Amino acid sequence: EAGVTQSPTHLIKTRGQQATLRCSPISGHTSVYWYQQALGLGLQFLLWYDEGEERNRGNFPPRFSGRQFPNYSSELNVNALELEDSALYLCASSLAGGQGIHEQFFGPGTRLTVL
Amino acid sequence: QKEVEQNSGPLSVPEGAIASLNCTYSDRGSQSFFWYRQYSGKSPELIMFIYSNGDKEDGRFTAQLNKASQYVSLLIRDSQPSDSATYLCAVGDNTNAGKSTFGDGTTLTVKP
Repeated sequence: EAGVTQSPTHLIKTRGQQATLRCSPISGHTSVYWYQQALGLGLQFLLWYDEGEERNRGNFPPRFSGRQFPNYSSELNVNALELEDSALYLCASSLAGGQGIHEQFFGPGTRLTVL
Repeated sequence: QKEVEQNSGPLSVPEGAIASLNCTYSDRGSQSFFWYRQYSGKSPELIMFIYSNGDKEDGRFTAQLNKASQYVSLLIRDSQPSDSATYLCAVGDNTNAGKSTFGDGTTLTVKP
């Protein structure tokens, strides 16, 4: 069974640009979560999508947004990139029911570098 | 106070010893508890989850939960150098808008 996949593996952008990150969940999983992990820091929750709807978001500005498609894949968009957005962006998926219920399975991540 | 707290470490144990990793949480409504392992430069990998008070064993790993004291721990028996990684504790609730909150992780080094 294929795991969570993310693309691209690496992404280099300059300040002010927009970045789009993509995630495909494990087959059968309807919930997708996005996390930011800056170098040396813990995972910071960004967004949770389930059944195409945004269910919850963390303490991030509105320039972090996303969506979930009918096939449950998801996209994270970061507008007006700032240097401090440089981080590993992790996508995770789980069965429906919310983050607190089911274990999450992580993808390999997208390393975003903002110059 | 952070919602989920872990000793950052590093925790160093000799090969074959028991490694004990601890996590405390602040929300008494928390229902589910997860331990993830993250190797440097890699994504977190689920090791164990526990929902009920007491111990849960899986191979060399034992998760222990004490809701009254609001702590959860992970014991690794017969530690191996390959266990050297950062261990993340995650705590969740099952409300509709619930979320899992991750601790900052404890770095474990197992010395041969």
